[in-house]
Amino acid sequence: IVLTQSPATLSLSPGERATLSCRASQTISTSLAWYQHKVGQAPRLLIYDASNRATDIPARFSGSGSGTDFTLTISSLEPEDFAVYYCQHRSNWPRTFGQGTKLEIK
Amino acid sequence: QVQLVDSGGGVVQPGRSLRLSCAGSGFMFNSYGMHWVRQAPGKGLEWVAFISSDGSNRDYVDSVKGRFSISRDNSKNTLFLQMNSLRDEDTAVYYCAKDRMGSSYVFDYWGQGTLVTVSS
Repeated sequence: IVLTQSPATLSLSPGERATLSCRASQTISTSLAWYQHKVGQAPRLLIYDASNRATDIPARFSGSGSGTDFTLTISSLEPEDFAVYYCQHRSNWPRTFGQGTKLEIK
Repeated sequence: QVQLVDSGGGVVQPGRSLRLSCAGSGFMFNSYGMHWVRQAPGKGLEWVAFISSDGSNRDYVDSVKGRFSISRDNSKNTLFLQMNSLRDEDTAVYYCAKDRMGSSYVFDYWGQGTLVTVSS
C-alpha cells in the first residue's frame, strides 16, 4: 500500500487553518495514524485510527476519513505547529509512511 | 512519564556490525510491543522491525531481513537492534518506538534517535 501526501509543502500563517491530505493506494478502513516531526526531535503521535487524538494532543488537531482518503486538520495554527507531518497505515504488511507534508511559516 | 533513550549509533564501515540499544522507563516495558523506525538523510520515515512484548514474535522490513535482529531484555527494560552486514543505504537516524498496544503498529512514544553512518 502506497500513501501519497499532499501538498508536499504548505505555507500558512499562525492562526490560519491547515488541511493536510493522505491518500492510500488501496482501502485501509480507518487504520491510519498521523505524526508530527520536528528536526532533531522525536516524532510525536497525533492521531490514530483516523480520528482518535492521542494522549495530550490539543483539540485543534483533528483527523477524518476512511477507505482511501484521509485528512489532518489543524484548526488554528500555533507557532509550535510548524513541522513535517507524516501519515502511516497499519492495514497490512509492511506498515508504511507517506512521504510527508512540510508545514512552513508563510 | 514514558521515556525511551536510544544509544549505540556511530560510524561503521560497510559490511561491519553495530548494536543499538533503547532503554525504556515510565511504563510496563514487558507489556508492550516495541519497534525500530529509521529516517535516512533527506528521506521520510521507514518502519524497520517489531518485537512482541514477550519476544516470541518478530517482524522485519524486507530490506533488512537476514541482516538485522531485534531483541529485548525485559528484566532490564531494554530493546536492541543487532545490525550485521551493514550497507551504505542503512545510513539513517534510528528511533525506537513503543507500540500503543500489544502489536497495533501505532507508535505512541519515540526515542530521540541515534545516528548510524555506514561509510568507508
